[in-house]
This record gives sequence, C-alpha cells and structure tokens, in this order.
Amino acid sequence: EPEVTQTPSHQVTQMGQEVILRCVPISNHLYFYWYRQILGQKVEFLVSFYNNEISEKSEIFDDQFSVERPDGSNFTLKIRSTKLEDSAMYFCASRGPGRNEQFFGPGTRLTVL
Amino acid sequence: ELKVEQNPLFLSMQEGKNYTIYCNYSTTSDRLYWYRQDPGKSLESLFVLLSNGAVKQEGRLMASLDTKARLSTLHITAAVHDLSATYFCAGYTGTASKLTFGTGTRLQVTL
Repeated sequence: EPEVTQTPSHQVTQMGQEVILRCVPISNHLYFYWYRQILGQKVEFLVSFYNNEISEKSEIFDDQFSVERPDGSNFTLKIRSTKLEDSAMYFCASRGPGRNEQFFGPGTRLTVL
Repeated sequence: ELKVEQNPLFLSMQEGKNYTIYCNYSTTSDRLYWYRQDPGKSLESLFVLLSNGAVKQEGRLMASLDTKARLSTLHITAAVHDLSATYFCAGYTGTASKLTFGTGTRLQVTL
C-alpha cells in the first residue's frame, strides 16, 4: 500500500542553523501539507501546497519557513534559522484528487539545541 | 476561525467498559475526521464523517456526527488494552482542506 515517507526520522541541530525536512508524498496525490506537533500538544497546521504554490499558511509559518517541490516527487520544508521553540515533530501529509483523507507520514522529530 | 475542543483530555478505563469521547467545533465544518496516534508515532486515519447523521463503525470504535450541534462522538465499546492511544478529532476548513485538530484525548485502558 502506498505511503508517505519522511526523512530524516530525527534531526538535531543548533539554534540558528538551517534545516531541511524531506517528504515523499503518495505518487498520484496533488495536495501536500506540513503540520507540527510540539511534544504533548495538539497537531497544528503549518502550510498547504497545490499546483506548485502555497494554498494556505498559518501564522506559525513565518518568513523563516519555506516549502518547495523541487523535483516532482519530493516535498520539502526549510527552516532558515532554527529557534528553540521550533523543536517539535513535523508531519507531512498528502491528499489525492477528489479524495477526503489526508495521509500522514511517520514524522521527523526536530530537536533544536 | 474553526476551533475544535475535545473532552475528556485524559481517560483511564478498565477493559470491558464503554465510554465516549466528545468533539465540539465552533463553526461550520464540512467534514470531521478521527485519528489515532500511538506514542512517538504518526497519525492513523480512523474515520471520515461527511454529513449530518453520519455513523461509522470499525471494530470496537463507532464515530458519529451531528452538524447541527457541531458535535462528533467516538464511542468505545468493551475496551481492550490495544485501544490505548491518543485520539484526535479534526475539522476541515478552507479550499485547501486544512485540518484543524482538537486537543486530543489520551485513552489508557487498564487490565
């Protein structure tokens, strides 16, 4: 069964460093999302992406964040200058055309020291 | 802006007992989703409820949706230990189908 994959599973970085989180959505899906979950808290929407552009973004998704679909299969989230409060689990999700469900990847745990 | 609240936040129940998790949302939501999350793991889709009065069942879990009351419930029948997890409901908004998650209910089923 097709699934969303994410790499790395765990990323440790120093405050102020740039990180890129990678996702490979399900192959025929057209809608892509990033969510984050701070430890012990609820899942929060960051950004949605369709037709090579951002469809919607939350107030969390400030100028430090960017997304890209560089090669038609990968979907990346870049954080330019990480802060301690960026430490969280980041989930990628994708949705197929005409489908209701979003399928979530296994997540990348980002730890900012 | 859609807000989603769940209660209870934590639920400890004995095996064999029944219980209900409640999910209230603040404005119109076209769809309501239930997800399960095991510790340190991703979100597993359980149910998608599309219309008023929708009821879906899978094993010991049954979800329902009342759009007029802006309420969804997840009912657990004869709980077993394997159901221990955190359960999230999520409303759907926007043309990009953004999910707005509730606070989650951590379910612990004791032997």
